[in-house]
Amino acid sequence: GAVVSQHPSWVICKSGTSVKIECRSLDFQATTMFWYRQFPKQSLMLMATSNEGSKATYEQGVEKDKFLINHASLTLSTLTVTSAHPEDSSFYICSAVGTPKNIQYFGAGTRLSVL
Amino acid sequence: LAKTTQPISMDSYEGQEVNITCSHNNIATNDYITWYQQFPSQGPRFIIQGYKTKVTNEVASLFIPADRKSSTLSLPRVSLSDTAVYYCLVVNSNSGYALNFGKGTSLLVTP
Repeated sequence: GAVVSQHPSWVICKSGTSVKIECRSLDFQATTMFWYRQFPKQSLMLMATSNEGSKATYEQGVEKDKFLINHASLTLSTLTVTSAHPEDSSFYICSAVGTPKNIQYFGAGTRLSVL
Repeated sequence: LAKTTQPISMDSYEGQEVNITCSHNNIATNDYITWYQQFPSQGPRFIIQGYKTKVTNEVASLFIPADRKSSTLSLPRVSLSDTAVYYCLVVNSNSGYALNFGKGTSLLVTP
């Protein structure tokens, strides 16, 4: 099956610093990738949709200047949490769709802890 | 966009068959029904997907009635390792987009 790699799996940072999370589709070309956030014991909440070569589309309530998304190639999308604060601590998960687009394949997730 | 509704939790004993039903009343023509399994601190894992009728793979079966307003994931002979949260997701096949992940069903399998 399709494999999506997400890195790092766990990151701890100081408040005010920026953190970059990478999402790669290893064995297929992902024209579209998605970024989710999941708080403890809650469901996944879609943050943004990223299409290769174009600006990401953010869901309502998600700050685009705080969560920078870049989808520079068909196999890589990055999420940068800028000036992270403790309330940004969460589990961030990416997914990717290839062709056909009806199945999202998910990465293993990144646990972000902001001190 | 189709909103999904599932039972919050289910309990089962090892070896039993588990059926989890999801309702998606306003599913669109281009939407597919996909089920995922998630363990704590891991990304969701694809289980099965269907459009209509019945789909079966090596781990599960998916039953979808003709009106497609609901679907049932069937897990045969569950084991302790099947304890997880199961999500029903309605995905638009043109865009891959699925806004509503729903609350999922927390399945607990006990000996």
